[in-house]
Amino acid sequence: QVVVTQSPSASASLGASVKLTCTLSSGHSKYAIAWHQQQPEKGPRYLMRLNSDGSHTKGDGIPDRFSGSSSGSEHYLTISSLQSEDEADYYCQTWGTGIQAFGGGTKLTVL
Amino acid sequence: QLQMQESGPRLVKPSETLSLTCTVSGGSISSSDYYWGWIRQSPGKGLEWIGSIYYSGTTYYTASLKSRVTISVDTSKNQFSLKMSSVTAADTAAYYCVRHRYYNIPPGVVDYWGQGTLVTVSS
Repeated sequence: QVVVTQSPSASASLGASVKLTCTLSSGHSKYAIAWHQQQPEKGPRYLMRLNSDGSHTKGDGIPDRFSGSSSGSEHYLTISSLQSEDEADYYCQTWGTGIQAFGGGTKLTVL
Repeated sequence: QLQMQESGPRLVKPSETLSLTCTVSGGSISSSDYYWGWIRQSPGKGLEWIGSIYYSGTTYYTASLKSRVTISVDTSKNQFSLKMSSVTAADTAAYYCVRHRYYNIPPGVVDYWGQGTLVTVSS
């Protein structure tokens, strides 16, 4: 069973960059993942799918400030030029045949 | 533009059955490229996948809820539905209907979320 691990919190200053990490459990490094954003009091929004080779597919209207990368079993979401509206929970998702797994989410605070 | 709208009772009594329907517009639920699913989020908590369905009726459920959950699809109405039996207060959550982009591993990545509906289990 795949386990998805995320740091509970992160913070960065307005205008700066931040890199969030998603780690898949041993034996699942080849799994693709997706990143989702949930702003306060709103439902989640799909940001991008990230393949194990580092290629990614963004959702409609997702700014270029959001990018993804991978290294082994670790996957990253980098947000550059942070804006106040980027303050949100970010969830990492992966999947296998007949399963879906979410990380516990990272709460990003924009200082 | 795809739209997904959840509907159903917002208040359910303990031991009764929770029923929700997701109506899809702006896209066909019969497309071979997508699965359709339900995800919930308890207040202040993370995301929990409940289950997903293909237009053909193929379903997948999370193990912990499988005995209480049924997901069905009505292609003529472009809708799919969730039924969860014997609910308790622990089932109080925001319920989201979602679309999965299916490539070769079902059900696939969640690439679209409905706005969600809060269902409270209380007498």
